[in-house]
Amino acid sequence: AQKITQTQPGMFVQEKEAVTLDCTYDTSDPSYGLFWYKQPSSGEMIFLIYQGSYDQQNATEGRYSLNFQKARKSANLVISASQLGDSAMYFCAMRALTNTGGFKTIFGAGTRLFVKA
Amino acid sequence: NAGVTQTPKFRVLKTGQSMTLLCAQDMNHEYMYWYRQDPGMGLRLIHYSVGEGTTAKGEVPDGYNVSRLKKQNFLLGLESAAPSQTSVYFCASSYLGGFISGANVLTFGAGSRLTVL
Repeated sequence: AQKITQTQPGMFVQEKEAVTLDCTYDTSDPSYGLFWYKQPSSGEMIFLIYQGSYDQQNATEGRYSLNFQKARKSANLVISASQLGDSAMYFCAMRALTNTGGFKTIFGAGTRLFVKA
Repeated sequence: NAGVTQTPKFRVLKTGQSMTLLCAQDMNHEYMYWYRQDPGMGLRLIHYSVGEGTTAKGEVPDGYNVSRLKKQNFLLGLESAAPSQTSVYFCASSYLGGFISGANVLTFGAGSRLTVL
């Protein structure tokens, strides 16, 4: 069964430091995509970064990088130089094939990040 | 460009009442999804659609029905609301896109908060 696991309900980080949010996934399909989304207290969902299962290099987007370890089935999000505005809920997600040939995207339970001044 | 629009934004129902949540997207996306978000459980997929006239069950479909009569609209119905359906509901859409590109990023609506008394 396809599944996303985020084991850190909450994380604290000091402003300007780096933080890693953990994500492990489970799928038997060779083709899949991994995403991270941010949800601030205002409630909207904001796309951060994407990694395809065939991508050879780890994805990076500004201060965000995705530490993709395919053999371990992990896709951790690294935020460098944390800012107060990074305080939010972060969701890891996976897009995978369904048994009817389409795609669906499933999410983990999320990690709430608190950035301390 | 409105993106993904959900209506209504808030609704209070009594147990046993019915209602429909409307999701409309103007990006010509093939895929549309309905999720519910509950504390500690992340976003769980209710139903999704891979194209006009098609729907499929997600992780938690019981108690909900959906229809996609037009490509731009995806309706979520509750025939007989229960307190367990109190949640924030998110609609999302995406292109067909493969795994090689990031074109399958989800665009979310602002969410609909439903309370069932």
